[in-house]
Amino acid sequence: DAGVIQSPRHEVTEMGQEVTLRCKPISGHNSLFWYRQTMMRGLELLIYFNNNVPIDDSGMPEDRFSAKMPNASFSTLKIQPSEPRDSAVYFCASSLENRANEQFFGPGTRLTVL
Amino acid sequence: QQQVKQSPQSLIVQKGGISIINCAYENTAFDYFPWYQQFPGKGPALLIAIRPDVSEKKEGRFTISFNKSAKQFSLHIMDSQPGDSATYFCAASIAGYALNFGKGTSLLVTP
Repeated sequence: DAGVIQSPRHEVTEMGQEVTLRCKPISGHNSLFWYRQTMMRGLELLIYFNNNVPIDDSGMPEDRFSAKMPNASFSTLKIQPSEPRDSAVYFCASSLENRANEQFFGPGTRLTVL
Repeated sequence: QQQVKQSPQSLIVQKGGISIINCAYENTAFDYFPWYQQFPGKGPALLIAIRPDVSEKKEGRFTISFNKSAKQFSLHIMDSQPGDSATYFCAASIAGYALNFGKGTSLLVTP
């Protein structure tokens, strides 16, 4: 298995632009997680899907952030409009259903908003 | 609110020494305590985990010590090697739900 796949690996954009990050979970995994990692705040859980349904989005910082999971093999995290403070590494992770404590992380997307 | 507090923030250990990273939690409902290892440019990867019904778990050079009454757990890396240089995250979860991560410890093992 290729593991969790994220794209792009790096994204540089200007303030105000829309950014879309993509994730393909491990085949057969029913749970998907989006995290944001910064030096100041560490790893923060943004949103958690189970069987394509958002279970907990309390970590989404504000309305500029939205996430979707249209099917079991694809999820997006969108930031519109982006701001410099959104600069971070965004990770997607997946796990088997009810095994959220054993998550497999993707390589991350490094986002820089100028 | 950080549910899992991790220390130290950074650690430098000589090759062959013991690296110790500590974590504390408040929520007594947590029932799973993993450690993740992250190399630069990579995502975190599960290293070792423990449940609160045991006080210690060892896998090779890595040992988790767990103190339920003190609500603390720690990672010990014996005979630390330069290849162990990475960021280590402790975490805690309830019944297979989402993980609560500590802020991470950057470990550097010098030759």
